[in-house]
Amino acid sequence: TAGITQAPTSQILAAGRSMTLRCTQDMRHNAMYWYRQDLGLGLRLIHYSNTAGTTGKGEVPDGYSVSRANTDDFPLTLASAVPSQTSVYFCASSDGGQGGDTQYFGPGTRLTVL
Amino acid sequence: GQNIDQPTEMTATEGAIVQINCTYQTSGFNGLFWYQQHAGEAPTFLSYNVLDGLEEKGRFSSFLSRSKGYSYLLLKELQMKDSASYLCASMDSNYQLIWGAGTKLIIKP
Repeated sequence: TAGITQAPTSQILAAGRSMTLRCTQDMRHNAMYWYRQDLGLGLRLIHYSNTAGTTGKGEVPDGYSVSRANTDDFPLTLASAVPSQTSVYFCASSDGGQGGDTQYFGPGTRLTVL
Repeated sequence: GQNIDQPTEMTATEGAIVQINCTYQTSGFNGLFWYQQHAGEAPTFLSYNVLDGLEEKGRFSSFLSRSKGYSYLLLKELQMKDSASYLCASMDSNYQLIWGAGTKLIIKP
């Protein structure tokens, strides 16, 4: 079972360019999440989706957008990248987004914006 | 505000026991998670506590005191492969996880 996959593994992007980070899960989980992880800081939630067709803003949503057209895919788009978006991005999924639900993480995308 | 505090780094000896503490303050509380993250890899789930007390799972145990806003992860019989960061996360009233910055555990032979 693949679980949750992300692409690309890493990317160097020029400031001002756009990019979409891909995330796909095969666990039929209802909820999906995008986090960024920066040195010295905890994981910070960017956007989430509790079910296909709905999305919500997390702690740090500015400069990012998401869509959830189906259960399996949850792409994250940077419309015009800035250096402060240099980070490691993790996608995660969970069964229902309720108490006790375990979040399972993809392998991450390391993004550098120059 | 919401806040999770855990030590930045800890060092322990192979075969020994180590306790990693976490204090939390979140808007509402729906449980406390511990994850393990090896360098360059994704976080992986270790434990979940929602009631006070100790949950034991093999060499790893996790404790919760809701009244004190406190949890700890106890690792016994340390092995070199336990060298990793350990992330504490509290689930708030919106069922969102609020994460600590992680504790880097260094195991020495």
